Amino acid sequence: EVQLVQSGAEVKKPGESLKISCKGSGYSFTSYWIGWVRQMPGKGLEWMGIIYPGDSDTRYSPSFQGQVTISADKSISTAYLQWSSLKASDTAMYYCARHTAVGGYALNWGQGTLVTVSS
Amino acid sequence: DIQMTQSPSSLSASVGDRVTITCQASQDISNYLNWYQQKPGKAPKLLIYDASNLETGVPSRFSGSGSGTDFTFTISSLQPEDIATYYCQQYDNLLITFGQGTRLEIK
Repeated sequence: EVQLVQSGAEVKKPGESLKISCKGSGYSFTSYWIGWVRQMPGKGLEWMGIIYPGDSDTRYSPSFQGQVTISADKSISTAYLQWSSLKASDTAMYYCARHTAVGGYALNWGQGTLVTVSS
Repeated sequence: DIQMTQSPSSLSASVGDRVTITCQASQDISNYLNWYQQKPGKAPKLLIYDASNLETGVPSRFSGSGSGTDFTFTISSLQPEDIATYYCQQYDNLLITFGQGTRLEIK
């Protein structure tokens, strides 16, 4: 069974750094793209970026380029989303998703990680 | 980047009704258009991929059509469990964008 298990909820202060994770199992982790999606409270889905763990090829939405870093460690089948300096506006639910081998659509989703940034 | 205009933003319908949601792309995306369902407090779920293909296990009352810039998502007979928000999503060379979402309620 394909599973994506995300790290737990985080409460951080503005200016702090954060790295959240998404561990894949039940499939060949290096053969499918992993994407990240933001959902701010009460709002819609926003695509942030995508990574191919096989060679770490990474693409970002223009809206998130330079704001976050997406990475992956294929040795432990885990993808990451990180911030160097959080803002209150980063408060949101973040989902990872396994996309197809060519990246087009998301076949499976993680349960989400709630990030709260507040002073 | 490609913009997706989804309408309506909300919709109220009765059980058994036919429901239609549209999505328009700002440029030709061929059939690279997918539809997701998101229930409150849950992760999204893929329903339709590449405009008209039903994902495995998804009930046949869900369907999609269209190509180029104009796409339609249809529920042929609305069921109570279909209450959710629906999103279209395009992919163009791995630059992905979602529509704004349609919140579907039971009348």
